[in-house]
Amino acid sequence: DTAVSQTPKYLVTQMGNDKSIKCEQNLGHDTMYWYKQDSKKFLKIMFSYNNKELIINETVPNRFSPKSPDKAHLNLHINSLELGDSAVYFCASSLTDSPLHFGNGTRLTVT
Amino acid sequence: AQRVTQPEKLLSVFKGAPVELKCNYSYSGSPELFWYVQYSRQRLQLLLRHISRESIKGFTADLNKGETSFHLKKPFAQEEDSAMYYCALKRGATNKLIFGTGTLLAVQP
Repeated sequence: DTAVSQTPKYLVTQMGNDKSIKCEQNLGHDTMYWYKQDSKKFLKIMFSYNNKELIINETVPNRFSPKSPDKAHLNLHINSLELGDSAVYFCASSLTDSPLHFGNGTRLTVT
Repeated sequence: AQRVTQPEKLLSVFKGAPVELKCNYSYSGSPELFWYVQYSRQRLQLLLRHISRESIKGFTADLNKGETSFHLKKPFAQEEDSAMYYCALKRGATNKLIFGTGTLLAVQP
């Protein structure tokens, strides 16, 4: 099944913890992204990698660190989680200059 | 600064009524615009892009550079059209998408 898949689907954790969200795409795309959708449904890009190289790095706290071991994977590690990090995080991928394909999202709840 | 504005947070219409979801943008270059849709509990997916000039699920959108708009239209709304709709602007060569705040379309029976 060709898709962008991210795990876990739901993540509930306490403030101060460190957590990771994984993303994999088998579409043969060369660019991957992380977007954050807040409680008001506002979508904002966080990072983008092209062929394992960071090309977009928006104003995101450095507690957030993306890691791309290869073209098909882009993981998001978050240190010292805060209440305000609660959101839905979407992974996406694309070929250069083509529309994005999104994953199903990971709903992170920080308590 | 590049910006995408969707003035309506919620648009409620009856089945069979025409729908227009508004999108305005500000961008100094040559814009490339998209509409993405997110059905309940599903992933965000591309609905249409202005360069394709196609109609998807009965929806169309025309880029109006004079009015800097890219409104999404459908002549007769269906209940299954109920979803969150995002207008997005592609910025430059990085393939970075700037999204509007989204409009929730609710089609009543």
